[in-house]
Amino acid sequence: DGGITQSPKYLFRKEGQNVTLSCEQNLNHDAMYWYRQDPGQGLRLIYYSQIVNDFQKGDIAEGYSVSREKKESFPLTVTSAQKNPTAFYLCASSAGRTGTQYFGPGTRLTVL
Amino acid sequence: GDSVTQMEGPVTLSEEAFLTINCTYTATGYPSLFWYVQYPGEGLQLLLKATKADDKGSNKGFEATYRKETTSFHLEKGSVQVSDSAVYFCALSGKLTGGGADGLTFGKGTHLIIQP
Repeated sequence: DGGITQSPKYLFRKEGQNVTLSCEQNLNHDAMYWYRQDPGQGLRLIYYSQIVNDFQKGDIAEGYSVSREKKESFPLTVTSAQKNPTAFYLCASSAGRTGTQYFGPGTRLTVL
Repeated sequence: GDSVTQMEGPVTLSEEAFLTINCTYTATGYPSLFWYVQYPGEGLQLLLKATKADDKGSNKGFEATYRKETTSFHLEKGSVQVSDSAVYFCALSGKLTGGGADGLTFGKGTHLIIQP
């Protein structure tokens, strides 16, 4: 089955540690996106990538980094510079200009 | 820039009631419009979409019509069920900040609670 996988579903880290969230898709989509969702809040765009080896900052990129070395993969690193990293992180992909985005199941990150 | 405004809720209804969740937008050009649904602890699922004015998107008993004259895309369902309890997001396609690439702008979501 085609889809987007995110792992792990729950992640716990100590304050000051970097952590990398995985996002893999087998939909052959060119574009991939990372969003952050806080309780009772909408989605805020962190980073996005339209093609391999290229990515752009979204609205809240500070304290985060990404890479896009393969079309299928778009990992997100939450660095120690991120002031309030505890949140639900969602990855999505789309087939370029069609607009429709398909989402993974999300990773809930808790920093202790 | 582009924006989406939707009622935030929570919206609480009894089972079999009629549902309307309002969504209005501000955008340049002619965006596509979407409704996504999020069940607790999960990612977002596409519920329906419309790509041009007067189009009606429909799925699982939900409907929404793209109204260009009122810049609206209200979500409706004739008879809701307990299983419809979720958060609903309205979104439009457009240019993202930074690189000007294509992407979606989301509303803040409407939490819907259906009581038996």
